[in-house]
Amino acid sequence: AQSVAQPEDQVNVAEGNPLTVKCTYSVSGNPYLFWYVQYPNRGLQFLLKYITGDNLVKGSYGFEAEFNKSQTSFHLKKPSALVSDSALYFCAVRANPGTASKLTFGTGTRLQVTL
Amino acid sequence: NAGVTQTPKFQVLKTGQSMTLQCAQDMNHNSMYWYRQDPGMGLRLIYYSASEGTTDKGEVPNGYNVSRLNKREFSLRLESAAPSQTSVYFCASSLLPIAGAGDTQYFGPGTRLTVL
Repeated sequence: AQSVAQPEDQVNVAEGNPLTVKCTYSVSGNPYLFWYVQYPNRGLQFLLKYITGDNLVKGSYGFEAEFNKSQTSFHLKKPSALVSDSALYFCAVRANPGTASKLTFGTGTRLQVTL
Repeated sequence: NAGVTQTPKFQVLKTGQSMTLQCAQDMNHNSMYWYRQDPGMGLRLIYYSASEGTTDKGEVPNGYNVSRLNKREFSLRLESAAPSQTSVYFCASSLLPIAGAGDTQYFGPGTRLTVL
């Protein structure tokens, strides 16, 4: 079985400071890893994914994530947070190979960026 | 392109009533999915359709049925709604139907369902 853990329910950051949202995973074999963002009353929007290759993945809106196989982690990062980054962030994993695109999501981390 | 659309946006049902949630995508994607989102539990897969003409159970299928009407449309039916089905329901789609691909899922805006 595959699983994702997002250990922090909420992360608070001041605007302009760097942010990190943590994610660890458990999966048989090599993982596909994803980050999605959800703004209030909206659906999930794709941010970035790791498939293979470089461990540092760059995505939308200045976000990036680092895949660390030994620590089974895929933390989301941004060098300088914006108030508009405040949202709910989900990490997701899928085994490679695995049954057709069945993703397992974490429980989400609420990011609050303040002035 | 509208992407993934869902109707209705909001619905209130009484226990025992039935309803169908509609989902359509205009991205020519092969696979479609239904999830429910509950506080503190993330998203859980209800049913999915890897390709037109096929459907499979996900993590929490009890109390639901689905129909892959054609390549564009994937509906979710609650035959006899229960308060435990109060949730936000999301439809998603992805291009590739086969395993082994880092396929991205694209989500609709959601349907907020309350069962009294």
